[in-house]
Amino acid sequence: DVKVTQSSRYLVKRTGEKVFLECVQDMDHENMFWYRQDPGLGLRLIYFSYDVKMKEKGDIPEGYSVSREKKERFSLILESASTNQTSMYLCASTKGNTEAFFGQGTRLTVV
Amino acid sequence: KNEVEQSPQNLTAQEGEFITINCSYSVGISALHWLQQHPGGGIVSLFMLSSGKKKHGRLIATINIQEKHSSLHITASHPRDSAVYICARLYGNKLVFGAGTILRVKS
Repeated sequence: DVKVTQSSRYLVKRTGEKVFLECVQDMDHENMFWYRQDPGLGLRLIYFSYDVKMKEKGDIPEGYSVSREKKERFSLILESASTNQTSMYLCASTKGNTEAFFGQGTRLTVV
Repeated sequence: KNEVEQSPQNLTAQEGEFITINCSYSVGISALHWLQQHPGGGIVSLFMLSSGKKKHGRLIATINIQEKHSSLHITASHPRDSAVYICARLYGNKLVFGAGTILRVKS
């Protein structure tokens, strides 16, 4: 019954690597979001997308990019991973202003 | 000021106690979510509310649209309830999270 799936629960990458975090939803939702969660800072919006090939910057887009080639998939890309991008990453999706669904999160460690 | 304010930030309770976590928001909503995150774990959706009250086991969530306030109650608390509880407001395309309440239930 999983509706929003993130590709990995735990990920360890090296500094400078290009990292892809994948999120897939099976509910035909238009809106998809990427957040990161850090102690004391809560969940902060990185990017969101309201349609295929459309994207909007959130509050902390620096160092990240996104891709939405298909409606069901929203990818977060770390072009050159750095240690300050070690965090918990959460994907969410919504259809209009109805219920939101959340992925389980990906704990990324950059060493 | 965050659009979504939670209180308290930290809460320690004895096993068996009744627990209340509060969430206030400053603008309108179409839905409000309560989420749970255990230490080192992923985020689990507990409730979605647009009005009234919902109950699941020992967890109860209420919302007062006029007062822009929601509460999460835990009855007969247990150490396994120790987690971070987060409320999130959904309006239009925008999803905004509170900072979270860290709950520790001692046996």
